[in-house]
Amino acid sequence: DQQVKQNSPSLSVQEGRISILNCDYTNSMFDYFLWYKKYPAEGPTFLISISSIKDKNEDGRFTVFLNKSAKHLSLHIVPSQPGDSAVYFCAGGTQGGSEKLVFGKGTKLTVNP
Amino acid sequence: NAGVTQTPKFQVLKTGQSMTLQCAQDMNHEYMSWYRQDPGMGLRLIHYSVGAGITDQGEVPNGYNVSRSTTEDFPLRLLSAAPSQTSVYFCASSINAERYNEQFFGPGTRLTVL
Repeated sequence: DQQVKQNSPSLSVQEGRISILNCDYTNSMFDYFLWYKKYPAEGPTFLISISSIKDKNEDGRFTVFLNKSAKHLSLHIVPSQPGDSAVYFCAGGTQGGSEKLVFGKGTKLTVNP
Repeated sequence: NAGVTQTPKFQVLKTGQSMTLQCAQDMNHEYMSWYRQDPGMGLRLIHYSVGAGITDQGEVPNGYNVSRSTTEDFPLRLLSAAPSQTSVYFCASSINAERYNEQFFGPGTRLTVL
């Protein structure tokens, strides 16, 4: 049972446009969600997070939206840059640590110049 | 700060061999964990530790042992390697168990078991 699903294995966008990466979850216990970014041959790096008490969190060009009723979150990157090309992992967990962090399979984003 | 370091970067083993993947962090983090990443899969938790002397199993612990004798080090042992353990292994750490979500990852060890 996949608790965190990223249904799009890949996404290609033009530089300057918006990139939207989607993630769905099934575990109702999750109250904290994160996005990690991973370049080839490197470990994942934390990008942005959101608590379930919010429906939006913004950090520069990156915004994460959370729709709790739909158990859906999305990462928006505006404007997209070639350096954003990477694999993005969505992860769900709980702030108290009662549920271990669960990662989706990732979406490979390619930003074309 | 070096952050989270992992050695070796690459390793090839034969079935049945044993080895230890090393992980160290210099951030005085209490929480450390090991993940494996297989093609087309997300990261799956193998083992984790909330502090020195305390370890617990994650989602896929079979075939792996861990220990945490110091805050800095969290080695992962394969006692008898199997081809199914071919994967990329990532070690991660965070300040404490409550902040386990915001983890810092090492660069990974690519392991091939023949």
